[in-house]
This record gives sequence, C-alpha cells and structure tokens, in this order.
Amino acid sequence: GQNIDQPTEMTATEGAIVQINCTYQTSGFNGLFWYQQHAGEAPTFLSYNVLDGLEEKGRFSSFLSRSKGYSYLLLKELQMKDSASYLCAVFGNNRLAFGKGNQVVVIP
Amino acid sequence: IAGITQAPTSQILAAGRRMTLRCTQDMRHNAMYWYRQDLGLGLRLIHYSNTAGTTGKGEVPDGYSVSRANTDDFPLTLASAVPSQTSVYFCASSDSDRDTQYFGPGTRLTVL
Repeated sequence: GQNIDQPTEMTATEGAIVQINCTYQTSGFNGLFWYQQHAGEAPTFLSYNVLDGLEEKGRFSSFLSRSKGYSYLLLKELQMKDSASYLCAVFGNNRLAFGKGNQVVVIP
Repeated sequence: IAGITQAPTSQILAAGRRMTLRCTQDMRHNAMYWYRQDLGLGLRLIHYSNTAGTTGKGEVPDGYSVSRANTDDFPLTLASAVPSQTSVYFCASSDSDRDTQYFGPGTRLTVL
C-alpha cells in the first residue's frame, strides 16, 4: 500500500513564506502532485514533480527527493487567499493516493 | 468549456433509498474517478475507469457501483444508501491514469 504523511495545520502571516512537507512510502513511484483546496470547494492542481529537484511556478515552488520519499510545497509572499488545505498526492502502485491535507491559515 | 460537472450539488436522502450521482466531462479525458472526502480521512478512491467500457474498484468500493458507457459520463450509484455514506463526493478526470486529475465541484450527500 501507500503511506502519505502531512502535518495537520499551520498558521502563517501575510507576506511570509511557508513550507508544507509531505513524506511518503510507496512502490513503483511515478510522480507527486500538489493540490490546493479551499473550504467547500474542489481540489485544484498546483504542481507535479516526477524527477528530483525544485519546480518553480510563480509564488509556488515544489521540491522532490525520491530517495528520501519527501516533498515540500513552498508558498512565498503569502496572501489571505492562500488560506486553504494543501493536498499531497503520490502516484504509486498504479494508482494515485492522497494525503489528508495540511490546513494553512494566513493571518494579517 | 465547462470541464467537469456534477449533479446534484447537494442531496438529503433517506436510508435505504437508491441514488445516482452524475458526472460529465467535456475534455475527452480517457480516465475518470469517484472519490469521497470525509473529515480526518482525506480523499479516498471509490471506483475508477481508465477508458470507456472499463471500470475498477478503488479503496472503498463497497455499497457503490459505476458504469462507463461512453467517454463523457461516469455515474455513481448507491443501491441502498446508509448513513455512513454521508460525505462529499468528487468526480475527477485525467487524460490517462498517470496524468493530472481535474476535479468536479462535488456533491454533498447526507443520508438520514
């Protein structure tokens, strides 16, 4: 099976940088996705990593280390609208499995 | 382009009743999925379809059935609803089973 761990919740200040971690155990790894989910809404795709290293997309960056089974999502210049749950999802064993999500609360 | 639509948006259902949740996509994606999302448990896969005419069981398939008669539609049926099926249900689709999944707006189902 697959095991995906994410911290449950974190609070950060507007304008700050926050790092959301995800550790996983799987076989046949074939990619890691990050999704953003606002309360009461559907998850929306943020980023995809399949090779080691950092992928940057505007204020959001995602990092992957396959040997460590570890990824993080970096959110820079935090805005109030970034308050959401961030879901890590791992493709392994021929299926996509989601972590329980990390709730980020942005305060003024 | 609408992407993925789901109906109904929300529903309250008596236990024992039959219910079909509808999902339609207009992106010509081959793969489609049904998830349920519950507090503290995250998104869990119920059933999936890698291509029209085929379906497979996910992590929590019991009490649910699906069909994939064509590319666009992927209905989820609860034959006899039970209170433990109270949840938010999301449909998703992707170009192939390894590609990025895109989610519909969800259906909030309450079984009393």
